[in-house]
Amino acid sequence: EVQLVQSGAEVKKPGESLKISCKGSGYSFITYWIAWVRQMPGKDLEWMGIIYLDDSDTRYSPSFQGQVTISADKSISTAYLQWSSLKASDTAMYYCAIPNPARWFLDDWGQGTLVTVSS
Amino acid sequence: EIVLTQSPATLSLSPGERATLSCGASQSVGRSFLAWYQQKPGLAPRLLIYDASSRATGIPDRFSGSGSGTDFTLTISRLEPEDFAVYYCQQYGSSITFGQGTRLEIK
Repeated sequence: EVQLVQSGAEVKKPGESLKISCKGSGYSFITYWIAWVRQMPGKDLEWMGIIYLDDSDTRYSPSFQGQVTISADKSISTAYLQWSSLKASDTAMYYCAIPNPARWFLDDWGQGTLVTVSS
Repeated sequence: EIVLTQSPATLSLSPGERATLSCGASQSVGRSFLAWYQQKPGLAPRLLIYDASSRATGIPDRFSGSGSGTDFTLTISRLEPEDFAVYYCQQYGSSITFGQGTRLEIK
């Protein structure tokens, strides 16, 4: 059974840095992509970007390019989402998900990581 | 970027009724690469439909998808109490974008 386990909730202050994680298990993840999706409180889903675990090939949504960094460590089947300087507007639930290998619909989802940025 | 517009924003129906949710694209979605998700409060989205009309594993047959090009529909034939949730469409024909969601609420 495929499983994505995300790191726990975070409370940060504006200007701080943060790196959250998404660890896969259940099959060989290095041949898969992992996507990140943002959901601000009470709002809709926004695709942020996607990374191929084997070679770290990364694609960003234009809305998030330069705002976050997506990375991966294939040796531990883990993808990361990172901010260098958080803003209050980064407060959201962040989901990772596995796209179908052939087409990018999102088969399996992590449980989400809630990030709260407040002074 | 393909923009997806879902309608209506909110749909109020009773259990047993038929629900029809729409998703319109700003340009044609290649190869009908469109998916539908259900999201309940506090939970991650769940894949319902992919390739516009294929049901995901374990999804009841009361859920069906149709459409091509720029117009897509999710139909729930007979609403069960557990179907009241928010529904999102997503296209993956050109990068990835989501619609803004339709809230299906109990009338």
